[in-house]
Amino acid sequence: QVQLVESGGGLVQPGGSLRVSCAASTSTFDTYDLHWVRQAPGKGLEWVAFIRFDGNSKFYADSVKGRFTISRDNSQNTLYLEMSSLRPDDMALYYCAKMKERKWYFDLWGRGTLVTVSS
Amino acid sequence: SYVLTQPPSVSEAPGQTAKITCGGNDIGSKTVHWYQQKPGQAPVVVVYDDSERPSGIPERFSGSNSGDTATLTISRVEAGDEADYYCQVYDSYSAQYVFGTGTKVSVL
Repeated sequence: QVQLVESGGGLVQPGGSLRVSCAASTSTFDTYDLHWVRQAPGKGLEWVAFIRFDGNSKFYADSVKGRFTISRDNSQNTLYLEMSSLRPDDMALYYCAKMKERKWYFDLWGRGTLVTVSS
Repeated sequence: SYVLTQPPSVSEAPGQTAKITCGGNDIGSKTVHWYQQKPGQAPVVVVYDDSERPSGIPERFSGSNSGDTATLTISRVEAGDEADYYCQVYDSYSAQYVFGTGTKVSVL
């Protein structure tokens, strides 16, 4: 059973930076298109970023463009999200999610890592 | 950017049918997916490609999509169906994935 496990969340001051990670327990990680999706406390889901299986294509939500960077290390089966210039409205539970092959929906999610932005 | 609008809440008695709408400009031309999220858990897809069900999802869950509205229908609602439900599309024009505003389903 493939699992996605996020880590690296924590408390950061406004304007600060943080990197969160997502580790996968699978040998086929390098075939997965992956995303970050976030959920502010008590709020709905918001898509954040996408990276293609080979890392050669990336897309971002307008709300994070220029501040967040998605990347991956297929040799380490790990997905990353580098976040900078963090704002209070970036505070959320950050999920990594796998896209179903040849489809446009998310068929596997981690449990999330909480990022708190506060002074 | 593309916007998907859902009613904040839907309530039905056990055994009745709950319908959750997802409104978007010409959403019928897009492919819609639906997720169920229970408290403290990650979302789970319950309908994909407008009306397909993943294995393990009861037949009570069905979907449709036409015009400016997609609909998730939960037949014979059970207490275990209480959750938040989100629609989702891929907007190829902006290359962004969009979630609906979410609907809380309560079973009376």
